[in-house]
Amino acid sequence: NAGVTQTPKFQVLKTGQSMTLQCAQDMNHEYMSWYRQDPGMGLRLIHYSVGAGITDQGEVPNGYNVSRSTTEDFPLRLLSAAPSQTSVYFCASRPSVGQVFKEQYFGPGTRLTVT
Amino acid sequence: GQQLNQSPQSMFIQEGEDVSMNCTSSSIFNTWLWYKQEPGEGPVLLIALYKAGELTSNGRLTAQFGITRKDSFLNISASIPSDVGIYFCAGLVGGSYIPTFGRGTSLIVHP
Repeated sequence: NAGVTQTPKFQVLKTGQSMTLQCAQDMNHEYMSWYRQDPGMGLRLIHYSVGAGITDQGEVPNGYNVSRSTTEDFPLRLLSAAPSQTSVYFCASRPSVGQVFKEQYFGPGTRLTVT
Repeated sequence: GQQLNQSPQSMFIQEGEDVSMNCTSSSIFNTWLWYKQEPGEGPVLLIALYKAGELTSNGRLTAQFGITRKDSFLNISASIPSDVGIYFCAGLVGGSYIPTFGRGTSLIVHP
């Protein structure tokens, strides 16, 4: 049981480049989400998924796409990187949608710099 | 959307001291969550609270769901150096399953 894994751990992009941040979990969790964390800020939700084939936008979705073809994987795509997307990105999962948080796990993060 | 005000922004304390931090909102929440984030890591869920007035402990950590449902408190007793990190609160309003996060309280513990 590896929990939530994210790759890469660090990435530097040039403005305009595209890339995919990978997230996977092996706990059969239905609910997965992507957050960004900027200095002095809390976590802001980018996109989330309540199950395979279902995704929705969070608070700051512009410039990002997601897909959920399997329960395990939830990649985040940057279509055309901008310096404003320099941030630390966290993927999280929990067993199901709802207000009861019996388990919730975050990945170790991807530190992205856009020059 | 909902906003959470978390205070203090940072704390510098001596090992052995007790710590208190809080989170307030203008909205009523049905669930309060407290997380700890260590340097270079993702947040870890510490405590979840579901009822007004609820008091829940996790080792030396105790969190309370405020009776107005607009605030929550986290206390750490007898702090130790490994308590260092950023503590985040988060809340969920009724009918939502997406938490809103506070900006965090950075805790430094001097040995």
